[in-house]
Amino acid sequence: QKEVEQDPGPLSVPEGAIVSLNCTYSNSAFQYFMWYRQYSRKGPELLMYTYSSGNKEDGRFTAQVDKSSKYISLFIRDSQPSDSATYLCAPPESPWATPRRAGGTSYGKLTFGQGTILTVHP
Amino acid sequence: SQTIHQWPATLVQPVGSPLSLECTVEGTSNPNLYWYRQAAGRGLQLLFYSVGIGQISSEVPQNLSASRPQDRQFILSSKKLLLSDSGFYLCAWKSPRLAGGSTDTQYFGPGTRLTVL
Repeated sequence: QKEVEQDPGPLSVPEGAIVSLNCTYSNSAFQYFMWYRQYSRKGPELLMYTYSSGNKEDGRFTAQVDKSSKYISLFIRDSQPSDSATYLCAPPESPWATPRRAGGTSYGKLTFGQGTILTVHP
Repeated sequence: SQTIHQWPATLVQPVGSPLSLECTVEGTSNPNLYWYRQAAGRGLQLLFYSVGIGQISSEVPQNLSASRPQDRQFILSSKKLLLSDSGFYLCAWKSPRLAGGSTDTQYFGPGTRLTVL
């Protein structure tokens, strides 16, 4: 079983729709979660991150984590054509994972999901 | 501010030819550095990471190698390319500080699109 799984889509919605993007994960050691957005032919960029269970809101975006079911969601309200991109969920390795760098820092590895391709059409 | 550069942006190479992709980071010291590959329609696969000069960890067995000759320079190489090496190669950096929250953010370069024919 992959550590992080996403429905690859593609997902096509009309402008203004509410979009729900989802990830499931299997490693209970993941402590918080990142969402990256990747436009076509570009490198990914961090969209938002959220700790533990509950919701985190940032403008039109809401990240939700349900640790009991190992389920992560990203909601986009009032979706815009500029939201058309691939969305990747990525939990960082636990800071208590071994091996660790000397001095207590971590290797900071991310485990990316496959990504969901989203198209918002006008 | 920090910036990350990759070159070349696009590369078409014949099977069996060598490869050298370069990544440099500006505006930070002692970063963690990462090489990823993204095949068409697939997620990001971590290939190598480095926590310091000359320190390279490989995540998957493959036809590729990586080197870090300087603090902010990361190079991805191959002696003989295979068709399966085609893909979008991304370099990323992260602050070496303690993990948690924004310090785990990886910042990606613009990528190199490699086609092996």
